[in-house]
Amino acid sequence: EPEVTQTPSHQVTQMGQEVILRCVPISNHLYFYWYRQILGQKVEFLVSFYNNEISEKSEIFDDQFSVERPDGSNFTLKIRSTKLEDSAMYFCASSDPLELYGYTFGSGTRLTVV
Amino acid sequence: AQKITQTQPGMFVQEKEAVTLDCTYDTSDQSYGLFWYKQPSSGEMIFLIYQGSYDEQNATEGRYSLNFQKARKSANLVISASQLGDSAMYFCAMREGSNAGNNRKLIWGLGTSLAVNP
Repeated sequence: EPEVTQTPSHQVTQMGQEVILRCVPISNHLYFYWYRQILGQKVEFLVSFYNNEISEKSEIFDDQFSVERPDGSNFTLKIRSTKLEDSAMYFCASSDPLELYGYTFGSGTRLTVV
Repeated sequence: AQKITQTQPGMFVQEKEAVTLDCTYDTSDQSYGLFWYKQPSSGEMIFLIYQGSYDEQNATEGRYSLNFQKARKSANLVISASQLGDSAMYFCAMREGSNAGNNRKLIWGLGTSLAVNP
């Protein structure tokens, strides 16, 4: 069964450093998303990406964040100058408009900022 | 106002019994979708079941069924014959608008922690 792959599964970074979280969505999917889940809290939408551009972003997704699809298969989330409060589980997801409930999530990257 | 409300922070159920996890939602859209996801302690997000706003029948997927009451704006998850492996967090989520649109983010509830007792 096709799956969304996220790397790394865990990352520890120093406050102020830049991190890049990587995702390989399902190949025939057209919509890509990043969500985050702070430990013990609900899942929050960050950004959606369609047709090589951001289609929607939340108020959380400020200038510290950026997304890119550099090579047609990878979908990356970059966090510049990380803060302690960026510590969370980050989920990548992809979907296909022809599939009614075709949101497939990756296993997540647990980011810890120290 | 919360768009997705899950009022049960924690639930317990005996193995082999059925359990209902509550979810109410708030939207002014006529077309929307409702989802349930399971998150075990390992952290991944597992899709369980989907209900479209125009679906007349309640969705079922194996031991999972969705009790969809549109007028009450509720979409409760029913797990029949609970198993120890069902112990996890369960999230209700909603997509506003039809699946054909570009604005297709999911809005999430706070989740319910389910513990299945042997």
